[in-house]
Amino acid sequence: EAQVTQNPRYLITVTGKKLTVTCSQNMNHEYMSWYRQDPGLGLRQIYYSMNVEVTDKGDVPEGYKVSRKEKRNFPLILESPSPNQTSLYFCASSLTRLLKGSYNEQFFGPGTRLTVL
Amino acid sequence: RKEVEQDPGPFNVPEGATVAFNCTYSNSASQSFFWYRQDCRKEPKLLMSVYSSGNEDGRFTAQLNRASQYISLLIRDSKLSDSATYLCVVNEYHYGGSQGNLIFGKGTKLSVKP
Repeated sequence: EAQVTQNPRYLITVTGKKLTVTCSQNMNHEYMSWYRQDPGLGLRQIYYSMNVEVTDKGDVPEGYKVSRKEKRNFPLILESPSPNQTSLYFCASSLTRLLKGSYNEQFFGPGTRLTVL
Repeated sequence: RKEVEQDPGPFNVPEGATVAFNCTYSNSASQSFFWYRQDCRKEPKLLMSVYSSGNEDGRFTAQLNRASQYISLLIRDSKLSDSATYLCVVNEYHYGGSQGNLIFGKGTKLSVKP
C-alpha cells in the first residue's frame, strides 16, 4: 500500500531532551516536507527537500533540523525541544518538486502529536 | 507575507443543502490550486485540483478566478460524511523562480446535520 508513515504517533517529552520524528514514504517520491499545525494558524511548512541531500527552510524552521540521506526517509530532529514546539506535525511527500503549473498531489502521513513539558 | 485567506466557519448546514466555500490568495504568481479535506485529528487529503476552466467531480465543483485571485468550492446535496475542514491550497511562486511551495489556508469547518 502506497503510504507515508510517521513515528511516533504520540510523544510527550520534556524541555531540552533531543528527539527525532521519523518519516518514510514508499512511493519513490522526490519531494518531501514537514509541516506543523496549530489551532488558528493552520499548516505551516518547517523544512522541505527536493531530493536526496537537498533540503531547504520553510516558513518556521527555527528549532528544527532535517536530513535526507535516502530518498524514502526524511527525519525531523528537535535538538532541544521547547514548549512552543508542542504541536501536531505532518510529513508529506509528492512525486516531484512543485514545478510551475504542476498539480502533483501531496500525500500526508498520519501525524505526530508532540507535547513538550 | 503571501497569504491564503478562508472564512473559518463553522458552516452548519442540514443534509441535502448546498454550501459554498470561498478562498482568496494574495500572490498573483500562483500557478496551481487545490482543495484538501481534513477530518478531525487526521491528515489532510486531496479533494480536488482547481483548473482554470473550472472542474466538477460528482457533487463537488471548483472554480478559479485569476483576475480576482479567488477560488471557490461548491458542495451540492451535502452528506453527513462531508463534515470536515476544507483547506484551500495554493502553489506559490516568486517571480522568476521555478520552485514553489504549497501555502495552506487555515481551513473552513463544515458540519452537516441530519
